[in-house]
Amino acid sequence: GESVGLHLPTLSVQEGDNSIINCAYSNSASDYFIWYKQESGKGPQFIIDIRSNMDKRQGQRVTVLLNKTVKHLSLQIAATQPGDSAVYFCAETPKNSGGYQKVTFGTGTKLQVIP
Amino acid sequence: NAGVTQTPKFQVLKTGQSMTLQCAQDMNHNSMYWYRQDPGMGLRLIYYSASEGTTDKGEVPNGYNVSRLNKREFSLRLESAAPSQTSVYFCASSPGIYNEQFFGPGTRLTVL
Repeated sequence: GESVGLHLPTLSVQEGDNSIINCAYSNSASDYFIWYKQESGKGPQFIIDIRSNMDKRQGQRVTVLLNKTVKHLSLQIAATQPGDSAVYFCAETPKNSGGYQKVTFGTGTKLQVIP
Repeated sequence: NAGVTQTPKFQVLKTGQSMTLQCAQDMNHNSMYWYRQDPGMGLRLIYYSASEGTTDKGEVPNGYNVSRLNKREFSLRLESAAPSQTSVYFCASSPGIYNEQFFGPGTRLTVL
């Protein structure tokens, strides 16, 4: 999972296996969650999002699970490929009550895919 | 469709120098943002512009100014650079303030 610190937690996965990356969020009022992928030297890239009225959302090879009871978010990547190697981080946004709602970004988990 | 573009990609400044980071988006998005990313920390919002003609402070605005030149462009200015501003700066845009954000490639800034 994600943590604050100078060294990112690293998940090493064999090519073809499934990956699960976790994120614990702190704000019980958070209503909208996004997973981003950041490759080395590049900007973050949107992967998938989920709103708090859902528990699960699926995309192409990716699934996001939301457990509001324990404030936990996970990203599952099926059949992990070398191109999936990157830092993944979650972002949480409080419920939209008009005006800008502060987005809180996690520090990230580094996914290493072993060929 | 280039998405979000940023210039320059790299910059080295001496303490006290000034510079402007440029950002443009071609997605007709209303909202734009400037973040800094430091090792071991999540992205931190410097300033944002919810819509053309408006700008507001984010989490770490001190030492920076912004200009929303038009709907496409949002620039970030460092008036007197300090070593603490050494960072990677990302510009982002979104259709509105409650949508996913699209990020530029970043500017790596070093202040000596």
